[in-house]
Amino acid sequence: AQSVTQLGSHVSVSEGALVLLRCNYSSSVPPYLFWYVQYPNQGLQLLLKYTTGATLVKGINGFEAEFKKSETSFHLTKPSAHMSDAAEYFCAVSAANQAGTALIFGKGTTLSVSS
Amino acid sequence: GAVVSQHPSWVICKSGTSVKIECRSLDFQATTMFWYRQFPKQSLMLMATSNEGSKATYEQGVEKDKFLINHASLTLSTLTVTSAHPEDSSFYICSAPVFSGGAREQFFGPGTRLTVL
Repeated sequence: AQSVTQLGSHVSVSEGALVLLRCNYSSSVPPYLFWYVQYPNQGLQLLLKYTTGATLVKGINGFEAEFKKSETSFHLTKPSAHMSDAAEYFCAVSAANQAGTALIFGKGTTLSVSS
Repeated sequence: GAVVSQHPSWVICKSGTSVKIECRSLDFQATTMFWYRQFPKQSLMLMATSNEGSKATYEQGVEKDKFLINHASLTLSTLTVTSAHPEDSSFYICSAPVFSGGAREQFFGPGTRLTVL
């Protein structure tokens, strides 16, 4: 069984400040991990993913995340927040390379960016 | 990247009517598609797995007779909400897996906003 816990349903930062969104996962098999962003009334856009290999993953829009197996974490960071980063962010997990396996999502974190 | 479309993007219907939502993979074939439901300010909850050529697999608590899923071809899955009620109002999103760069990745449709009056 797999699950995802996103710590903090709402994170507020100032423009230019560091963004840190926390995600911890539970998986009985090697996981694939994902971060998605969702803007109001829109679908999901993939920010980045971890499958195998390098544990520090770089994504779009300056975001990156580090897979830490010992901590079962996959936190999302961005050095400098932009106003356009304000959105809902979802961390998700799936079983590595198992055909027909859906994603399991965390409850989401709303990121607010103030000027 | 692969593209998944949904139609309609939004629909308003009267209570008791049925609504069909289409999910299409535009440039790849998908033997499996997934249907999620998202209530306002909440996360995506998997409803069912749509399988081409066989019956859909429903998650616990999802009424299969209310949410009919048909995977008609390798590029089309439909979700029909039968006898819709206001509590069925939600954002419905589909996804399809694609093997990309040696790993499996999910591509999501843009979602369908259903409002039942």
